Amino acid sequence: QKEVEQDPGPLSVPEGAIVSLNCTYSNSAFQYFMWYRQYSRKGPELLMYTYSSGNKEDGRFTAQVDKSSKYISLFIRDSQPSDSATYLCAMSVYSGAGSYQLTFGKGTKLSVIP
Amino acid sequence: DTAVSQTPKYLVTQMGNDKSIKCEQNLGHDTMYWYKQDSKKFLKIMFSYNNKELIINETVPNRFSPKSPDKAHLNLHINSLELGDSAVYFCASSQDQHRGGYTFGSGTRLTVV
Repeated sequence: QKEVEQDPGPLSVPEGAIVSLNCTYSNSAFQYFMWYRQYSRKGPELLMYTYSSGNKEDGRFTAQVDKSSKYISLFIRDSQPSDSATYLCAMSVYSGAGSYQLTFGKGTKLSVIP
Repeated sequence: DTAVSQTPKYLVTQMGNDKSIKCEQNLGHDTMYWYKQDSKKFLKIMFSYNNKELIINETVPNRFSPKSPDKAHLNLHINSLELGDSAVYFCASSQDQHRGGYTFGSGTRLTVV
């Protein structure tokens, strides 16, 4: 079993839809949870960052963490064509000497159709 | 004013050659990383340097050698390139307290023919 599982999709939704992206993980040592967005032929960019269980909202984006179930989600409200990208969940654990090692999910490719 | 810059963006080379990829960050971050993204888009850590000291060295062939001349630079040298090395290589940096919030470069697309 991989440490982080994420459905690769692809996921296609109409503009304005609510999108739900999910990841599960097996390593209880993961402390911090992130969502990255990667446009085609670009590097990943940090979208959301959470630590504790619960919800965190930023504009149209809501990140949800359930540590007891080892499950994280990203919700996108009123999705736009510009949201079309690959979304990667990521989790970090302290690896020593001030460094935190990230483990990524495989990414879900999202297309928002106008 | 690019935060994390990599050169070159594209690299096409023959099997057996030696090549280098350069990375520079102007964010003042303490830690820099190299990640490999394969054809299935899976991102996997290769190396991590904190203040020029090697912290993480995942299981990669010893043909790959990172070098960090200073805190702002982390280069990747690859000897005897193989077809399986074809991938996109991403450099990233983070500040210690970000605890996983990385800033990535735009990647170097390496094709070995």
